[in-house]
Amino acid sequence: ETGVTQSPTHLIKTRGQQVTLRCSSQSGHNTVSWYQQALGQGPQFIFQYYREEENGRGNFPPRFSGLQFPNYSSELNVNALELDDSALYLCASSLAKLAGGSDTQYFGPGTRLTVL
Amino acid sequence: QKEVEQDPGPLSVPEGAIVSLNCTYSNSAFQYFMWYRQYSRKGPELLMYTYSSGNKEDGRFTAQVDKSSKYISLFIRDSQPSDSATYLCAMSGRGGGSQGNLIFGKGTKLSVKP
Repeated sequence: ETGVTQSPTHLIKTRGQQVTLRCSSQSGHNTVSWYQQALGQGPQFIFQYYREEENGRGNFPPRFSGLQFPNYSSELNVNALELDDSALYLCASSLAKLAGGSDTQYFGPGTRLTVL
Repeated sequence: QKEVEQDPGPLSVPEGAIVSLNCTYSNSAFQYFMWYRQYSRKGPELLMYTYSSGNKEDGRFTAQVDKSSKYISLFIRDSQPSDSATYLCAMSGRGGGSQGNLIFGKGTKLSVKP
């Protein structure tokens, strides 16, 4: 069973540029959530994708967008980068249990984005 | 007031000590409570998952949830230098994964000295 993987590991961009981060979910998982973790803070929920549709969104502007593919991998796109976008971006995968009950999120190693 | 409050520390203890970490929260809708461990420059790793009130034990780790007080705790017995990490509490109003996003505390940085 493979875990959650993310690419790239590190990225440096300049203000105003656009960036795409990628995530491969854990084998057997069908849901991907993205989080932003600023230095010294806990992760903050950006959005979640289930069956290729956005399934919830946190308090992030529309320049943060995403995609989920048929193989359940996912992308996070950020347009018009700002200095405050510098953070660790975490992807978490889980298996939706439609009948209810608990399901847990497993995190990847993250992509560290620096905006200059 | 933030939804989840967690003392960021840092917390420094000698090897073998019992460590107590805790979080308070304000949203009574939270039902699922988690503790994650995060090593420097790595992603969070799930340690404990608890539904509603009560205790859960796994090896040296014990998680407690008191919904009446909106207070959760993680205890680490016989702490080891390898336990040195940041510990994040997280909670959700629904089934933790696809049925709800996680709300995290800021994390407590723990250092266990040999």
